[in-house]
Amino acid sequence: DAGVTQSPTHLIKTRGQQVTLRCSPKSGHDTVSWYQQALGQGPQFIFQYYEEEERQRGNFPDRFSGHQFPNYSSELNVNALLLGDSALYLCASSPTPGASYEQYFGPGTRLTVT
Amino acid sequence: DAKTTQPPSMDCAEGRAANLPCNHSTISGNEYVYWYRQIHSQGPQYIIHGLKNNETNEMASLIITEDRKSSTLILPHATLRDTAVYYCIVRVVIGTALIFGKGTTLSVSS
Repeated sequence: DAGVTQSPTHLIKTRGQQVTLRCSPKSGHDTVSWYQQALGQGPQFIFQYYEEEERQRGNFPDRFSGHQFPNYSSELNVNALLLGDSALYLCASSPTPGASYEQYFGPGTRLTVT
Repeated sequence: DAKTTQPPSMDCAEGRAANLPCNHSTISGNEYVYWYRQIHSQGPQYIIHGLKNNETNEMASLIITEDRKSSTLILPHATLRDTAVYYCIVRVVIGTALIFGKGTTLSVSS
């Protein structure tokens, strides 16, 4: 059983560009959450998707947007990249948004903005 | 902001028990205590969670004080592979995101 997978593993972009990161949840999971982890910090919640809709959002600007597909996979889009967007982007999945199940995290995508 | 306070770092000898404390003095009655860990360059990994009773699984034990204002994660026989950042998180059951603090960096040495 494959766990949470993310692509690409690493990415280098230039300031002002746009980027799309992808996530496939663990089999049987229908809820996907995205987190940003700056160097030396804990992960920060960006947003959560369930039934193809954004259900919760953390304190991130509108430059950060997402999408969930009918097969439960998800994309994170970041527009007008800033140097401060350089971070590890983590995707986590869980069976439902309201249960006390743990979230399973993927290995992350390392984004470097130059 | 995170609702928990953890020491920034701890050391433990291999084979000994690692006891990681967490203070959550403002915890609400419907909030669970969750523990995750993050090994270098990997995504966080769920360890255990509890409401008010002590919990044990194959990875660790969770001891929650009677007033629920603090808890301790116990790794009974730490190994080098337990070297990681450990995060203590309080979270209600229904639909809330995980709010991570800076966690405790546990270093296990031989």
